[in-house]
Amino acid sequence: GNSVTQMEGPVTLSEEAFLTINCTYTATGYPSLFWYVQYPGEGLQLLLKATKADDKGSNKGFEATYRKETTSFHLEKGSVQVSDSAVYFCALGISSGSARQLTFGSGTQLTVLP
Amino acid sequence: EAGVAQSPRYKIIEKRQSVAFWCNPISGHATLYWYQQILGQGPKLLIQFQNNGVVDDSQLPKDRFSAERLKGVDSTLKIQPAKLEDSAVYLCASSLLTSGGTDTQYFGPGTRLTVL
Repeated sequence: GNSVTQMEGPVTLSEEAFLTINCTYTATGYPSLFWYVQYPGEGLQLLLKATKADDKGSNKGFEATYRKETTSFHLEKGSVQVSDSAVYFCALGISSGSARQLTFGSGTQLTVLP
Repeated sequence: EAGVAQSPRYKIIEKRQSVAFWCNPISGHATLYWYQQILGQGPKLLIQFQNNGVVDDSQLPKDRFSAERLKGVDSTLKIQPAKLEDSAVYLCASSLLTSGGTDTQYFGPGTRLTVL
């Protein structure tokens, strides 16, 4: 079946530090890959996505590259800010006809200290 | 553009009681999803609607959970009777269905259910 494994948290960084959150997946077929972010008290928001191998998704300084050979989609940011404190979810999407199966990892809590 | 709306935001009930959640998707989005997010876990899909038809309900516990989307817009999710293990955040999402399967799902703020 399809599954996503994320780096366990919580992760605590100082402002301006480099961030990596690891994500690996197992899937049948050709999934799309997503990173969602959940800020305190808010719903899930799409952060970035990649739909095929070697695609790079980017948004708000965050980047992730779809690596088929290592089945990975690691999230990176060069310099984190306090406002980046949130829970980050990696997810894979498989489509079959009109069915859309989005499988999430368990989430990684990030806290950025000033 | 208005986002996905959900209500109520919080609900506390006792086990064996019933509860209903409401979702209004983004205007024009034909596809609607309900997810269950247990504390410390990622969301798990319960059911997907395309307009007012069910596309996938394979992970919906049908003995106690039901969902409908009668007019292809709003949707309700019901639990009857509730169990302690149903305590979770119930998320609604909507999307435009794309032919390539690269749809982005947009999530509402969720309803936090506590079953005592």
